[in-house]
Amino acid sequence: ETGVTQTPRHLVMGMTNKKSLKCEQHLGHNAMYWYKQSAKKPLELMFVYNFKEQTENNSVPSRFSPECPNSSHLFLHLHTLQPEDSALYLCASSPRTGDNQPQHFGDGTRLSIL
Amino acid sequence: AQSVTQPDIHITVSEGASLELRCNYSYGATPYLFWYVQSPGQGLQLLLKYFSGDTLVQGIKGFEAEFKRSQSSFNLRKPSVHWSDAAEYFCAVGEGRNTDKLIFGTGTRLQVFP
Repeated sequence: ETGVTQTPRHLVMGMTNKKSLKCEQHLGHNAMYWYKQSAKKPLELMFVYNFKEQTENNSVPSRFSPECPNSSHLFLHLHTLQPEDSALYLCASSPRTGDNQPQHFGDGTRLSIL
Repeated sequence: AQSVTQPDIHITVSEGASLELRCNYSYGATPYLFWYVQSPGQGLQLLLKYFSGDTLVQGIKGFEAEFKRSQSSFNLRKPSVHWSDAAEYFCAVGEGRNTDKLIFGTGTRLQVFP
């Protein structure tokens, strides 16, 4: 499914670097989500945006900073990350929040922190 | 708190055999239940969902799932597995009517032998 596109697919960065993950959806949805997928752990919801407004921050450390300039684009800005932040970061979208509609996922960005 | 348990971490079946992946949830009201599949290097794809009505739900790729309230279960089944079904399968429950917060299980990895 190519409705939700994430770039880059892989990212290796040092703990002092600053980088950004990008997500773009072509489904006409208004809600977008960031998830973290670590080995042997369930997917963890990080942030939710609905019509560009953040509606959920699941106690995510401030070294992760989301940005949603419009309903089609979502960014995750990264700085001063820790080794335990190495994971697959998944973006998802849905028509809008609270509408019982399933979320559509991108293929993720595999992040490795050196 | 809501939770999802997938008791089987890893299942191996022969191609053509039947399949059942188990999912148990903990939720006070009528849950909103989902099954997603994740192939290597890809994001999550929705297989099927249950919101209300008929407790036997048909999904894509020949999968079905049955909601059993008395057992707090939502097991995924397929009568005849194909080699392309090898992937990781995730069960998820939505918190109430607001499916922003999906609680995921830890996943079941399916291997298919020819």
